Amino acid sequence: QQQVKQSPQSLIVQKGGIPIINCAYENTAFDYFPWYQQFPGKGPALLIAIRPDVSEKKEGRFTISFNKSAKQFSLHIMDSQPGDSATYFCAAVGTGANNLFFGTGTRLTVIP
Amino acid sequence: DTEVTQTPKHLVMGMTNKKSLKCEQHMGHRAMYWYKQKAKKPPELMFVYSYEKLSINESVPSRFSPECPNSSLLNLHLHALQPEDSALYLCASSQNPAKVNTEAFFGQGTRLTVV
Repeated sequence: QQQVKQSPQSLIVQKGGIPIINCAYENTAFDYFPWYQQFPGKGPALLIAIRPDVSEKKEGRFTISFNKSAKQFSLHIMDSQPGDSATYFCAAVGTGANNLFFGTGTRLTVIP
Repeated sequence: DTEVTQTPKHLVMGMTNKKSLKCEQHMGHRAMYWYKQKAKKPPELMFVYSYEKLSINESVPSRFSPECPNSSLLNLHLHALQPEDSALYLCASSQNPAKVNTEAFFGQGTRLTVV
């Protein structure tokens, strides 16, 4: 059973556009939601993370929006660049747990 | 230093070979992980070490044998693998497994091909 559902599977935007990736979860024990960026042949790199006590977090061009009641969260990339082309994974983990539950991934392509 | 170092970067092995993957971190993290990632799929958890003790084994076949010699090192011993075990093997670490979760840092991975 997929603990974290992610959409879309792939996304193509023009340079400067704002891609949005959405994730949803069911387990209310999750209390930490990181996003990872992965380039081909490399390991995932932590981009930004949020806890459910805030509704939005910004770091540079990356913003997470969090809707606790709907059990949904999303990643927005402002002023997207070709260098942002990568696969993005949302994830979730519960207090004291040691397992990151990953979403299925979104392959983002930013066209120059 | 926020780096998790994995060696080798690439490994090709036969089905009768024995090999080991190595992972090292010097961030003082006390939780270390092995993940397996197939192409176009998310990472899947294999093992978790918490304070150098194996705390989670996600029903991984015995041909994969983890070892944590000390708080900075994590090994994955491989024996009699199958071609379907070919994947990117990722090591990760995080700060304190007993407290509220903090970020996990991933290594660059070892690309394993079983022939």
